[in-house]
Amino acid sequence: AQTVTQSQPEMSVQEAETVTLSCTYDTSESDYYLFWYKQPPSRQMILVIRQEAYKQQNATENRFSVNFQKAAKSFSLKISDSQLGDAAMYFCAYRSGQGGSEKLVFGKGTKLTVNP
Amino acid sequence: GAGVSQSPSNKVTEKGKDVELRCDPISGHTALYWYRQSLGQGLEFLIYFQGNSAPDKSGLPSDRFSAERTGGSVSTLTIQRTQQEDSAVYLCASSLVGVRGNTEAFFGQGTRLTVV
Repeated sequence: AQTVTQSQPEMSVQEAETVTLSCTYDTSESDYYLFWYKQPPSRQMILVIRQEAYKQQNATENRFSVNFQKAAKSFSLKISDSQLGDAAMYFCAYRSGQGGSEKLVFGKGTKLTVNP
Repeated sequence: GAGVSQSPSNKVTEKGKDVELRCDPISGHTALYWYRQSLGQGLEFLIYFQGNSAPDKSGLPSDRFSAERTGGSVSTLTIQRTQQEDSAVYLCASSLVGVRGNTEAFFGQGTRLTVV
């Protein structure tokens, strides 16, 4: 079974600075998808960024980018120019690319605090 | 609707009582998922629906848990004879298609269940 590990229960960053959240995963599959979700206090999960394993190029969405290292099974999230609104729980998630496997497997999350 | 809607937002119940949690997915979304989030933990997969059928119910923790989906739309998660360890936030998500891919899953705001 696939597992996702987030080794940093909490992180903090100064407003306007850059922070990197770590995520590693374990799988024997070669075809899969990786996601970062943000969960603010409202509880609603919001997709931040996604990466297809077959793509070598790292995904980027505005201030959010990933460092995808397939051989190392690492998928870190970099947030540049951090804003107060970025404060939330961040979850890394894995989805198999095999047909019929639809569930997302989540890590335990990293709580990000942004200091003014 | 505009997003995934869950009701109630909060539910307090006595140990041993049955509860029903409702999820109204985004219109047209064929795939629907239930997750459980215990305090300080990541999201634990419970069950996945494609239309009205559930090809993956591997995450249901015991036979006290059941779920159904009718008309390819609304889903109800039922917990019988609730226990204190059932206390958690129950999140529902839906996506446009339930096939392999990086299809985004849209989440509701969850139901916080407290068993006293």
